[in-house]
Amino acid sequence: DIQMTQSPSSVSASVGDRVTITCRASQGINSWLAWYQQKPGKAPKLLLYAASSLQSGVPSRFSGSGSGTDFTLTISSLQPEDFATYYCQQANSFPPTFGQGTKVEIK
Amino acid sequence: QVQLVESGGGVVQPGGSQRLSCAASGFSFSNYAMYWVRQAPGKGLEWVAVISYDGSNTYYADSVKGRFTISRDNSKNTLYLQMNSLRAEDTAVYHCARVSVGFCVITSCSYFDYWGQGALVTVSS
Repeated sequence: DIQMTQSPSSVSASVGDRVTITCRASQGINSWLAWYQQKPGKAPKLLLYAASSLQSGVPSRFSGSGSGTDFTLTISSLQPEDFATYYCQQANSFPPTFGQGTKVEIK
Repeated sequence: QVQLVESGGGVVQPGGSQRLSCAASGFSFSNYAMYWVRQAPGKGLEWVAVISYDGSNTYYADSVKGRFTISRDNSKNTLYLQMNSLRAEDTAVYHCARVSVGFCVITSCSYFDYWGQGALVTVSS
């Protein structure tokens, strides 16, 4: 199975900050990568797929980039509702695998 | 709107059984492969099982193979997970999730566009 490694595991930031989260795959996955947001006690929410395509209804302050093994999720101006845990997931090969998560906390 | 609602969670003793259900609405359930994905307390997401849109194909994570069975009833718009021989390490919130593309080959469609809130299964004596 492909291993997905996220960094950092947590980040403290303030409203209005730019936040970047990194995800690395153990082997090349082209652009078959998704990002999810999860708030405590809630279902994960798809933010981006195909590395950089924004899911319908997701604010444009979220963006993604990368291909191959290295990917980033950027929140351009952190909003109060963005404090959550973020997961990457590869969809290049079966089975789908997830990163361990990055918790975005209030500074 | 699309809704996925899990039920059937609870406390079960080691070695026991539990069946989860996921009631789907707001979309053509029979057109989509469905997953069960679990999340142990304080941990990340782990796929458990997947079933094709018509129920003809299923796959399981090695950690549950031979103990869990995924099934679906397209006439009832419901997904199931039968869990047998439960272990402490199966304690988790179990989410059902829809793949984002209809009628896809289940080994080739693995973005999840809708998830249920989950059902907590606690395996403890």
